Amino acid sequence: GAGVSQSPRYKVAKRGQDVALRCDPISGHVSLFWYQQALGQGPEFLTYFQNEAQLDKSGLPSDRFFAERPEGSVSTLKIQRTQQEDSAVYLCASSLERGGDRATDTQYFGPGTRLTVL
Amino acid sequence: RKEVEQDPGPFNVPEGATVAFNCTYSNSASQSFFWYRQDCRKEPKLLMSVYSSGNEDGRFTAQLNRASQYISLLIRDSKLSDSATYLCVVNNHYSGNTPLVFGKGTRLSVIA
Repeated sequence: GAGVSQSPRYKVAKRGQDVALRCDPISGHVSLFWYQQALGQGPEFLTYFQNEAQLDKSGLPSDRFFAERPEGSVSTLKIQRTQQEDSAVYLCASSLERGGDRATDTQYFGPGTRLTVL
Repeated sequence: RKEVEQDPGPFNVPEGATVAFNCTYSNSASQSFFWYRQDCRKEPKLLMSVYSSGNEDGRFTAQLNRASQYISLLIRDSKLSDSATYLCVVNNHYSGNTPLVFGKGTRLSVIA
């Protein structure tokens, strides 16, 4: 079946530009996560949605970062006034999350969007 | 200090070798433990979950020591296709609605 998809796969932005990154989770998955992976590092948590509710945004590095999932499926991560330090791969992951069932808790990752800010 | 620490890489091993990766985590309340594999320029993919009793999947064996807050991954009879970065991952809750905490990753190169 279809996995998590993300678009665009690559994005080059000039410093100061706004960007929008899209994530299509696996159909029916309740939980959606955004992670940021800098070069040579492991992914780091940005924000989490359960359906349309953003339950945790503690990982967002600044108020320039904003995420939404208005209908509980597709999510968009927006970065305003991009800076060079925003250059990274942005990964989206989803899980079925039926609650308490480990088999449904696995997070499946999309291919990521590689953002380069010049 | 990062919450999840891994062996620095890279590990360069010949085909057929046995290689072990180690990982420590600092949050004693961590509940779930995993190894993910990440190929170059690809997304992380779940390799295996790690249980206190230890678990094996073919050539891969994972161990968890909660008292020492230590996780390991053993790969036997290494194949060229095992070359990748191995990420040690913890979840501070049992459910899937909490973020994963990743280590920096250990790079493995299996050489013919």
